[in-house]
Amino acid sequence: KNEVEQSPQNLTAQEGEFITINCSYSVGISALHWLQQHPGGGIVSLFMLSSGKKKHGRLIATINIQEKHSSLHITASHPRDSAVYICAAGNNDMRFGAGTRLTVKP
Amino acid sequence: DTGVSQDPRHKITKRGQNVTFRCDPISEHNRLYWYRQTLGQGPEFLTYFQNEAQLEKSRLLSDRFSAERPKGSFSTLEIQRTEQGDSAMYLCASRRTGSTDTQYFGPGTRLTVL
Repeated sequence: KNEVEQSPQNLTAQEGEFITINCSYSVGISALHWLQQHPGGGIVSLFMLSSGKKKHGRLIATINIQEKHSSLHITASHPRDSAVYICAAGNNDMRFGAGTRLTVKP
Repeated sequence: DTGVSQDPRHKITKRGQNVTFRCDPISEHNRLYWYRQTLGQGPEFLTYFQNEAQLEKSRLLSDRFSAERPKGSFSTLEIQRTEQGDSAMYLCASRRTGSTDTQYFGPGTRLTVL
């Protein structure tokens, strides 16, 4: 079993829909990261969380330390949100999920 | 552009050859990380440096892999006697110690071993 599990693996949504991607981890961590990877490989960090909730624009990330679970929400999704979203646990030797491929159709 | 840069962006080599990749982190970042990502998978941690000191290495990093950061600025990752299983995207990232910032990733070097 991977130390970081994401669901779903693939997600297709219509523009405007509310999207949730889930991440469960089994390792003890000091931080949980959400990353976005576009075709061609470039990775952008979206959030680093150690507790509670963070919001940036239409993106919201939450974490429940006791349950070892985090979610990434996208409100009013747009085709430009189409990308792979990756959850990673830890600070230095990060353990990564396999990613969720999101496609938002116009 | 003051982001993380990597060179080359693409490398095709024959099995058994040695390859070296370079990463230039953001200038004030003292921590530098190397990851490997195969198709359809998330990245895997390989190693990281704080300044010139290599602080941690994954067990994934076999003895054919070596990384250096001699002056605490740029880093190199060398793979000796490449194997087809080494084909992957090699990613570099950097951050400042003690910062609440997350890591900043470079564009990656895509290695294909024929």
